[in-house]
Amino acid sequence: KAGVTQTPRYLIKTRGQQVTLSCSPISGHRSVSWYQQTPGQGLQFLFEYFSETQRNKGNFPGRFSGRQFSNSRSEMNVSTLELGDSALYLCASSGSGAPVYEQYFGPGTRLTVT
Amino acid sequence: AQSVAQPEDQVNVAEGNPLTVKCTYSVSGNPYLFWYVQYPNRGLQFLLKYITGDNLVKGSYGFEAEFNKSQTSFHLKKPSALVSDSALYFCAALGGGSQGNLIFGKGTKLSVKP
Repeated sequence: KAGVTQTPRYLIKTRGQQVTLSCSPISGHRSVSWYQQTPGQGLQFLFEYFSETQRNKGNFPGRFSGRQFSNSRSEMNVSTLELGDSALYLCASSGSGAPVYEQYFGPGTRLTVT
Repeated sequence: AQSVAQPEDQVNVAEGNPLTVKCTYSVSGNPYLFWYVQYPNRGLQFLLKYITGDNLVKGSYGFEAEFNKSQTSFHLKKPSALVSDSALYFCAALGGGSQGNLIFGKGTKLSVKP
């Protein structure tokens, strides 16, 4: 099976713009989680989607949002970008066929806000 | 609040020597614990997990971890380190609400010298 894919891999945006990142989970996986990784804050949970519904949400402002489509692909959107949003954004999938509680991570999208 | 701590930012080991990467946790209820490894410009790779059962958990690439409930620790170990083990290691615990919410430690950089 193909692994988790994320597009784009690299992105440069300007403060105030918005950005959309995409994640395609492993085939058959219905849960997709998003994480933000920064040198200062480490890895932080953003949100989790399961069967097109947000199942859990971390402690991030409303500028961060996501959605999941019927094919389990997920997108996350960040509006009104700030310099502090520069980070590696990782998504992970889990679900049918995977051992319980194991998440499989994509390579990430490196977002740079200037 | 639930948290995971990795007290060492960096661990240096000579090739062939045993290695230990430390992790302590503070979670409510039964802890579900994980170790992930991250290589440069890559996503996280699952190493092992503790859900229940034996306190010594064996995982990928010869790694194992010892769960100690009284010390609330979950240290990662390997009997003989390889240069290729050099990477960033993350300990994580399952947060509340769903299985897609991982709480990560800050990470420990493991450096194995020939």
